[in-house]
This record gives sequence, C-alpha cells and structure tokens, in this order.
Amino acid sequence: NAGVTQTPKFRVLKTGQSMTLLCAQDMNHEYMYWYRQDPGMGLRLIHYSVGEGTTAKGEVPDGYNVSRLKKQNFLLGLESAAPSQTSVYFCASSTPVGSSYNEQFFGPGTRLTVL
Amino acid sequence: RKEVEQDPGPFNVPEGATVAFNCTYSNSASQSFFWYRQDCRKEPKLLMSVYSSGNEDGRFTAQLNRASQYISLLIRDSKLSDSATYLCVVNPSGTSYGKLTFGQGTILTVHP
Repeated sequence: NAGVTQTPKFRVLKTGQSMTLLCAQDMNHEYMYWYRQDPGMGLRLIHYSVGEGTTAKGEVPDGYNVSRLKKQNFLLGLESAAPSQTSVYFCASSTPVGSSYNEQFFGPGTRLTVL
Repeated sequence: RKEVEQDPGPFNVPEGATVAFNCTYSNSASQSFFWYRQDCRKEPKLLMSVYSSGNEDGRFTAQLNRASQYISLLIRDSKLSDSATYLCVVNPSGTSYGKLTFGQGTILTVHP
C-alpha cells in the first residue's frame, strides 16, 4: 500500500496563476483533509471531506476550493494564487467512527511558493 | 488564547537525558488527545494517543490532566533519533470525522 500520496511535491507559481493539488489514498478511508503548515502556526485545516461527494470548510478555507469526486481522491484548488498562500500543504485521511480512534495518516506534503 | 499551546523550544539535550514537554488546551469538552512526531521536512506521524489513565510506550510516557487541561510527554533515555518536532494534538469536539487541532510543535534536538 502506498498510503497517502500527493502530487506535485514542489511547485512555484506566479501571483494570479491557478493550480490543483492532488491527494490520493489507498486505505479505503472515508475522511480526508487538507492542511497548510506555516512556521510558528502549526497545521491549520483548510477543508475536509467526510465522504465521496461531500466537502466542508475548515479553519482557513478562503482562497481554496476542493472536490471529492472519488472516495480515494481529494483535490485542492487555488483559483488565483497569492503570496500569502506560500506554504507546505499536507493531505491526510482517516477512518470513520467504529475504529479504535481516528488516527490521521498524512501524505508527504507539497511545498508551494507563490511569487 | 490558542486552542492548543506548546512551548516551541527548542530543547537541546544530550543522549540519555530525560525530557518532558507540556501542552495546554482551551476547550474543556475536548475528547481525544494525541502526540504526533514530525521529522524535518516530513509529514506528521502518530506517536501515541493519550489516555486519561496515562499510558506508556517503551521510553515514551503520556499523561493527561483534564482538571488543569494539560497533556504531557516524557521521553526517557533520549536517542539521537528522537530529534524531531513533537506536535500536541486535540480532538476538541469528539466529532466522528476526527477534526483535529494541532499545537505549533516543540522542537527537540538530542546531541551526542
């Protein structure tokens, strides 16, 4: 099993450009999450999904959109990138209630720089 | 006040030392508590869950004090490989989708 994978690993954008980050998991998890990590801020939840076809806003959703068309994939889109979106983006997935606890498994991260 | 607060450190300790990290959380209704470990430029990984009765996993001991709303992690006999950032993590509402709140992390460096 590959676990959680993210594409791409690195990206440099110019202000105003758009891009999509792809997250894929092969653990049949119901729940998926997108976080950003900035120095001194900890991980902050952008959006999350509790199942195929459903998404919800997290703590810092502005400037991002998401889609969960397939259970195994969770896409994060930036329609018009801004320098404030320079960050490391982590995707995670977890099992639903019924497991012993909701351990979140993280992907390796995408380092995004917006110039 | 931040929902989850940690001393960012850095903590620099020699091999073999015992080191303790504390973390406080603001939501008294929080249900689940965890310590994650994050190596430099890597993703976070679960180190251990924290139970009300306290729990131990080898050299690592986690404690929860609900009355004072703090969580601790004790590392005994530190190894060079313990060098990492330790994230205090709380599920503030016990929701089924497992929404987590992360502390900013405590940096640990173990030196020879």
